[in-house]
Amino acid sequence: GAVVSQHPSRVICKSGTSVKIECRSLDFQATTMFWYRQFPKQSLMLMATSNEGSKATYEQGVEKDKFLINHASLTLSTLTVTSAHPEDSSFYICSARYHASYEQYFGPGTRLTVT
Amino acid sequence: KNEVEQSPQNLTAQEGEFITINCSYSVGISALHWLQQHPGGGIVSLFMLSSGKKKHGRLIATINIQEKHSSLHITASHPRDSAVYICAASNTGNQFYFGTGTSLTVIP
Repeated sequence: GAVVSQHPSRVICKSGTSVKIECRSLDFQATTMFWYRQFPKQSLMLMATSNEGSKATYEQGVEKDKFLINHASLTLSTLTVTSAHPEDSSFYICSARYHASYEQYFGPGTRLTVT
Repeated sequence: KNEVEQSPQNLTAQEGEFITINCSYSVGISALHWLQQHPGGGIVSLFMLSSGKKKHGRLIATINIQEKHSSLHITASHPRDSAVYICAASNTGNQFYFGTGTSLTVIP
């Protein structure tokens, strides 16, 4: 099946710093990538949808200036958490799909801890 | 009320038992997905179905479109099946609605 990777898998940063998370589709061209956040014991919550070469569409309540998303190529999307705060600590998961598919392929996730 | 409801939230079973996890949804869907999330977080897509039944190894997924209900069955459960199982409904806009998950523990 299709493979999606994320890097890093785990990151600890100090409050006020920025963190970049990469999401790559390894064996297919991802026309659309999705970024989710998951708090403990809760379901995945969609943060934003990004299509290659265009601006991301953010869900209500997600600050686009805080969570910068770039989908510069068909195999790479990045999420940058700017000026991170402890409440941003969470599990961030990306998924990717190719054109006209209803299937989403999930990355392994990145656990962010902000101290 | 969530668009996707799962039951039970937690499930403990003895190795070898037959397991059923239920999912009800209230939105119009193009597909229903069953996902598996292991400790550590990685998510694997188990099934995507829009009608009928699918089988993969010891896993079976069924869906009843009229009743807006899906079930995931695990036959001859094994400790390695211990994980969180998530039901998700996707619509024609490829928007996903996730259930809160069922945490399964299979005891040897």
